[in-house]
Parts: sequence; structure tokens; C-alpha cells
Amino acid sequence: QTVVTQEPSFSVSPGGTVTLTCGLSSGSVSTSYYPSWYQQTPGQAPRTLIYNTNTRSSGVPDRFSGSILGNKAALTITGAQADDESDYYCVLYMGSGIWVFGGGTKLTVL
Amino acid sequence: QLQLQESGPGLVKPSETLSLTCTVSGGSISSRSYYWGWIRQPPGKGLEWIGNIYYSGSTYYNPSLKSRVTISVDTSKNQFSLKLTSVTAADTAVYYCASRGYSYASGFDPWGQGTLVTVSS
Repeated sequence: QTVVTQEPSFSVSPGGTVTLTCGLSSGSVSTSYYPSWYQQTPGQAPRTLIYNTNTRSSGVPDRFSGSILGNKAALTITGAQADDESDYYCVLYMGSGIWVFGGGTKLTVL
Repeated sequence: QLQLQESGPGLVKPSETLSLTCTVSGGSISSRSYYWGWIRQPPGKGLEWIGNIYYSGSTYYNPSLKSRVTISVDTSKNQFSLKLTSVTAADTAVYYCASRGYSYASGFDPWGQGTLVTVSS
């Protein structure tokens, strides 16, 4: 089964910009994988940030953006804030009704 | 506004069947606009998609769990359910129910608050 890859951890300075990626163990991610991104803080359910590659969910600040960068889906946070420190997950559509989550990226803001 | 709430036993014995229910409010489970699904997260680990169901009864399961999973819909109660058979300690996780729009372009949203299920004797 294809594995969805994410950086295990990343750090960013307050006010800085960070790009998290979501790739495949084999092949390239395209819009046809309908990537979506979720933010999760400890003890909470995930919150939808981005769906359909680059559409922000209702109420999500515009400093969160999604895109395809090279052969991966990407989540960019511009002007990082302390409360952006969270786990971030992507999920991809693999066809035949099957979805696969990435392993998640733990983002530290310091 | 659609809201989902999981319910079910918090403790299941090894080899037994895990059963959870998700109650939908703010919308009809018979709506053609949504898929209904389950996602789990073992303690300290990442999210794992378990499966989805459409109001018509069409189901889609994670291949790694397919032999043990059944997702069903109860339209009379506006609920959908998860059954996972022959559980082991590896099935200990927070189980979330979530909806997804009919289009593949839709994300998983909203999510329930999650319920912790521990597999232990």
C-alpha cells in the first residue's frame, strides 16, 4: 500500500514562514488526490484547514494556504503565531473510495 | 450546522467486537450530500482512516482493516455505526466519526469530539 509521507517535525520562528509537505512513497501528488490538511492540538479533534488542495475551510485565517509544490502537496503558514504550534496532518484520495492519512508533522513555534 | 457525537463502550476485551455509534444532528443521515466515516488515532500516534459509508449503504474500507470492519447506517435514528471484530491492544485508540461532502474535493468536516476505546482484559 502506498504510504503518504510528511516531515515528522518542523520548527519555525514567530512571524516566520513554514511550508509542510505531503508526498507519496511512490509517485507524485497532484490535485487529483484532493489533498486536505488538518490541525490538531493535544486532546482535541482535528480541525479542517484546507481541502481540495487550496480551499480554506470556513474561519481559517488566510495565512494558511495550500498548493502543489513539485511532486507534493504543501501547506504554507505565513506569519507563524504561537498558537500554530500543533500537529498537522494531510490526507490523500487514492481512488476506489480509499483515503490515506500522512503520519503528521509536529510543528514547533520558537 | 452538522454536528457529530460518538458513543459506545470505553473498554473492550481482546478478541471481542468493538461497537461505536455516531449520532448526527443538524442534518439528515439520508442526505445525498454526505459520506459518513470513521477515523482513529492510537495514543501518541497519527490518524488512520477506517472507512466511509454513503446513505445508500455503499461502503469503502481501509484495506488493512477490511476483513474486520463493518460500517452501517440507521436512518431511523439518524446514526451510523462502526463494528470492529477480533480486537487486540493495537486497536486501542481515540475513534472519531466525521462527515465528508459527496465530492472527493470535500474535506473531512465536521468531526466528532472523539471517544477513547481501550482494548484490555
